[in-house]
Amino acid sequence: QQQVKQSPQSLIVQKGGISIINCAYENTAFDYFPWYQQFPGKGPALLIAIRPDVSEKKEGRFTISFNKSAKQFSLHIMDSQPGDSATYFCAASQGGSEKLVFGKGTKLTVNP
Amino acid sequence: DAGVIQSPRHEVTEMGQEVTLRCKPISGHDYLFWYRQTMMRGLELLIYFNNNVPIDDSGMPEDRFSAKMPNASFSTLKIQPSEPRDSAVYFCASGIQGALTEAFFGQGTRLTVV
Repeated sequence: QQQVKQSPQSLIVQKGGISIINCAYENTAFDYFPWYQQFPGKGPALLIAIRPDVSEKKEGRFTISFNKSAKQFSLHIMDSQPGDSATYFCAASQGGSEKLVFGKGTKLTVNP
Repeated sequence: DAGVIQSPRHEVTEMGQEVTLRCKPISGHDYLFWYRQTMMRGLELLIYFNNNVPIDDSGMPEDRFSAKMPNASFSTLKIQPSEPRDSAVYFCASGIQGALTEAFFGQGTRLTVV
């Protein structure tokens, strides 16, 4: 059973465009939602994270939007750059638990 | 700190052989996680330790897999006997109690079982 569903599987965006990746979850006990970025040959690294007490969090060109009632959250990359080309994973964890449940990832390609 | 260090980076072995993957977590981190990454299943948590004690091994696929953490600076994941379906990238990650909002991943070991 996949606890965090991520879409799309792959995404191609032109330089300067907006990249949007979506995730949905079922477990209402989840209370922490990070996004990880992975470059080829590297391990995932934390990009940005949100807790459900806010609906949006922005860090530079990266924004997480969170919809608690719909049990969905998304990553928006504004002014996408070729250097943003990577695989992005959404994840979720439950309060008091150290376990992160990951989505299957989105391969983002930003064309110059 | 050099980050989480995994070895080897690549491993090619024949079916039936024993494989041992190694991990050195970041100094001072008291949580250690082993993940497996495949195209089909994404990132799966296999097992994690707290203060060298295994806490949850429910993700370990079967008895052929075992993990140990003899001290705070070293962990191993062993597969015996290995099978072609074990081919994947295995990641080790570490984190700190009270700050588990971030897991620090190593660069992974790409395992190919032929």
